[in-house]
This record gives sequence, structure tokens and C-alpha cells, in this order.
Amino acid sequence: DAGVTQSPTHLIKTRGQQVTLRCSPKSGHDTVSWYQQALGQGPQFIFQYYEEEERQRGNFPDRFSGHQFPNYSSELNVNALLLGDSALYLCASTTGGEVYGYTFGSGTRLTVV
Amino acid sequence: QQQVKQSPQSLIVQKGGISIINCAYENTAFDYFPWYQQFPGKGPALLIAIRPDVSEKKEGRFTISFNKSAKQFSLHIMDSQPGDSATYFCAATYSGNTPLVFGKGTRLSVIA
Repeated sequence: DAGVTQSPTHLIKTRGQQVTLRCSPKSGHDTVSWYQQALGQGPQFIFQYYEEEERQRGNFPDRFSGHQFPNYSSELNVNALLLGDSALYLCASTTGGEVYGYTFGSGTRLTVV
Repeated sequence: QQQVKQSPQSLIVQKGGISIINCAYENTAFDYFPWYQQFPGKGPALLIAIRPDVSEKKEGRFTISFNKSAKQFSLHIMDSQPGDSATYFCAATYSGNTPLVFGKGTRLSVIA
């Protein structure tokens, strides 16, 4: 049974560029949440997608946007990249919009230079 | 109100010893307190979780102690092993559908 799959695992972007990160939830899960984990910090909530809608959003600027597809997979888009956007981006899946029993992916390490 | 404060930042424990990590919270609405374990290059994995209606929960070598009046909870790892070396995060949420709020993490090193 596949867990949460994220791609790519690593990428390097230049300031001002745009990036798209992808997540496939665990089989049977319909809710996807995205977290940003800066080096040496705990994960911080970006937003949650359930039923193809953004249900909740953390304290992140509009440069961060997302999408959920009918197969429950999700994308995180970041525009106008800043050096401070360098972090590990984690996708977590669960069911029914809940946070109990989150399953996290291994993340995408984004480096902005 | 949304913060979860975790300590210590790092911890070194001898093999076979007890590792103790502490967390404190302010929001009394929190009703679910999980602990996550994260190895380098991996995402966090749920280790154990507790609700405030019990003061302790044990799963194998891992125990959560919960003090509702003090708004504190802690993770105890008994008989710590080198394989337990990882970063541990406490977290909290309420109502089951609000985002998890994480502590800053504790890097545990278990040395032989």
C-alpha cells in the first residue's frame, strides 16, 4: 500500500521563479494538507484541500497557491520565489477533512538561490 | 494562543536510558496531542497521541504523560536505543479539523 508520494524530492530554483510541487495521497485518503518546514523548525501549516477546495489556510502570502484534482492528488505552487522560501515542503493526507491520523510524505526539499 | 513550546532543543542519552521531551501549550481548546518522529530525509511519522481525558498513555517503550492543569505534556522513551535517534515533534489541535500546531522539535541522539 503506497503511502504519500511527493515529487520532486529535491529542486533548486532562482529568486523570482515559480515552482510547482506535487503530492499523491495515501490510498483511501481524500484530504491533503501542505506544510513548510524550515531548517531546524517544526512544520508550519500552509493550507488544506478537501473536495477540491481550499478549506483552511495558514499565515502564508498569496504567492502560495494550490489545487486538488478529482483523484485527490494535489499541487502546491509558489510564485515569485524568495530566498526565505527555501525549506522542506511536506504533504500530509488523511480522510474527511480531519487531521487525526495524518500520513506525511517524505517532502520536497526546495532551495532558492 | 496557538503556540506549542517544546524543550529541550537537543538531547543526548545513553543507550538503555530514559529520554524525556517536554511540551507546553496555551490554548485550552486543544484536545488532541500527538508526537511525531522524523528521521533525516523523511517526513514526520505519528508515534503516539493522547487526548486530555487521560493522564498517561503507553505504547511499548513510548509513554505520553499529560498534565491538563499545567497545560503540559511529555514524551518518555524507556530503554532508549540508537535507532531512536531522530527529531521528535510535539503537536496539538482541536476539533479534529484544525491544522496541527507543531513544536520546534527535539533532536535526540542515543549513544552506545
